[in-house]
Formats: sequence, C-alpha cells, structure tokens
Amino acid sequence: GAVVSQHPSWVICKSGTSVKIECRSLDFQATTMFWYRQFPKQSLMLMATSNEGSKATYEQGVEKDKFLINHASLTLSTLTVTSAHPEDSSFYICSASRASGQETQYFGPGTRLLVL
Amino acid sequence: SQQGEEDPQALSIQEGENATMNCSYKTSINNLQWYRQNSGRGLVHLILIRSNEREKHSGRLRVTLDTSKKSSSLLITASRAADTASYFCATNNYGQNFVFGPGTRLSVLP
Repeated sequence: GAVVSQHPSWVICKSGTSVKIECRSLDFQATTMFWYRQFPKQSLMLMATSNEGSKATYEQGVEKDKFLINHASLTLSTLTVTSAHPEDSSFYICSASRASGQETQYFGPGTRLLVL
Repeated sequence: SQQGEEDPQALSIQEGENATMNCSYKTSINNLQWYRQNSGRGLVHLILIRSNEREKHSGRLRVTLDTSKKSSSLLITASRAADTASYFCATNNYGQNFVFGPGTRLSVLP
C-alpha cells in the first residue's frame, strides 16, 4: 500500500507555456502533500506543502504565482508551472502523508520538466 | 542552511564490500530517515530511526543515530551492483517538514 503516482513522467514544453503536473495517492487518503524540486546531482528542495481544501504553504523563495498548487481532494494535488522558462527545467517530486505532521511521506516517481 | 548533510558526496566501491555513508544535522529531531534514489527516479524509503533509538537493522542495512553528535550513519553490507544509487538522509522535527541532505552518490562496481 501507500503508492503515489505522478503524471506526466516527462514533459517538454516551449518557453512561456504552462505545465500541469498531477500527484495522486492511489490507495490511501493524503491529507497533506508536498512538492519538491531537484536539480541534477542535488538534493530535494521543498517547494510547498498543501493540505486538502486549504491554500498551500510555500517555502521562502518559491513564487506562489509561478507555481500554483491545488489540493482539491484527498487523493489529488496538482502543481502548475505557469509561463515556464528554461530555468524551471528540473525534476519535480511530490510526496504524500496520511495526516499533517505524520512521520512518513510516500514519494511519487517524479516528473522531469524540460523547458526549451 | 542544510539540516542534513551527508558525507562522502560520492563513494565508489567493489561489489561485496561494505559502504558507509554519514549524515550530520544541526537541530533537534524527532526522527531521521534514509532514502535511496536511482538515477532519474523517485525516492524509496529505506529505514526510519527515532531520536530515542541508537541502531536499527533492515536486511543488509544498518543505521545508527548519535543524537549527542547529531549524526547518523548508513551501512550497506555486502554491496551489490544494484545498490548503485544516491542515498539521502532526511530529518523530521516533530511534525515539521522533512529536510533532506545533499546525498551520497554510491557506485558499486561489478
């Protein structure tokens, strides 16, 4: 149990377009979902935390108007990279936990975004 | 600043040898977790050790935690080529968000 999926796994887009990434918990209800970004050969950096039905909490330095997060249900969170630029190219990973403050997060397989 | 910091940053060993990776952190923690990430893939949870525990085992994995030194180590015994991956520690402080270290890239040569 505790499987998290992401879609798409790969996306290539032109500069200026918006890209939506979905994160789904397949066999459990995720009260809290997290979005991370990972540049090549670097660690995961938390971008934002979202609780179902409320606004996401963004980490310092992450533009909330650039990275729109919607956690509309207990099994789905979406990250939309608006007006993507080449510097937004990265590996985006989501994770989910059953409750806020839970010590276990279940990670999705990641989405690789390449902005041309 | 980084909470968890692993060393070495990269480690190359022969198959069958043991691999040891270390993680240091700065603040109080509730637990520390180790994850593995194969190239271009998501994270796989390996083991969780709580602040009141000193050592944990899972198969070929052995994790230690020294809260006085704010450090943890991950030992992989009898390594295999399939263990080639990046290994991250992540600290968790009583319901706050995870903070990941920079990771150790392990290469196990056949």
